[in-house]
Amino acid sequence: AQSVTQLDSQVPVFEEAPVELRCNYSSSVSVYLFWYVQYPNQGLQLLLKYLSGSTLVKGINGFEAEFNKSQTSFHLRKPSVHISDTAEYFCAVSVPNRDDKIIFGKGTRLHILP
Amino acid sequence: DAGVTQSPTHLIKTRGQQVTLRCSPKSGHDTVSWYQQALGQGPQFIFQYYEEEERQRGNFPDRFSGHQFPNYSSELNVNALLLGDSALYLCASSGLGINTEAFFGQGTRLTVV
Repeated sequence: AQSVTQLDSQVPVFEEAPVELRCNYSSSVSVYLFWYVQYPNQGLQLLLKYLSGSTLVKGINGFEAEFNKSQTSFHLRKPSVHISDTAEYFCAVSVPNRDDKIIFGKGTRLHILP
Repeated sequence: DAGVTQSPTHLIKTRGQQVTLRCSPKSGHDTVSWYQQALGQGPQFIFQYYEEEERQRGNFPDRFSGHQFPNYSSELNVNALLLGDSALYLCASSGLGINTEAFFGQGTRLTVV
């Protein structure tokens, strides 16, 4: 079975400062990795995904993530955050060639401080 | 393209009642998955429908059932509602092929009182 651990439930950061949201996963097989964002009272929007190839993945809104197989991590980063980045961020995995079921972490709430 | 649409957006039900939630997938998508997101938690997979059949199911009781119609739209039914069923219910659709991106709807907020 697969699982996802998001190490921080909340992350406060000042506007224009860099941020890193941490994610670790557990799986006995190779997985695809995702980061989703959820704005207040909204559904989920895909930020970026890692399927294969380059371990550094660039997504929308200036976010990027790096896949580290040895550390089973997929941390999300942004060099300079904006107030509009205030949202809940979910790390997720799915198993290739099996199904589309997505397994989510519990989420990290990003607070942007003025 | 309207994307994934869910109805209603909000719903209040009483314990013991039954509820039906609806989802229309993104144009061109044939697979619909349902997720339950309790307050402060990540979404949890309920089940997935493809070709009008339940293809796989998460760890949810039989009170949760679903249906997919020939036009690929889907319903989620929950019987004998419990207070713990209060959550945001998300529908996601995806297309043919392996690991096409899943698109999520805005969700239905169900409150059980």
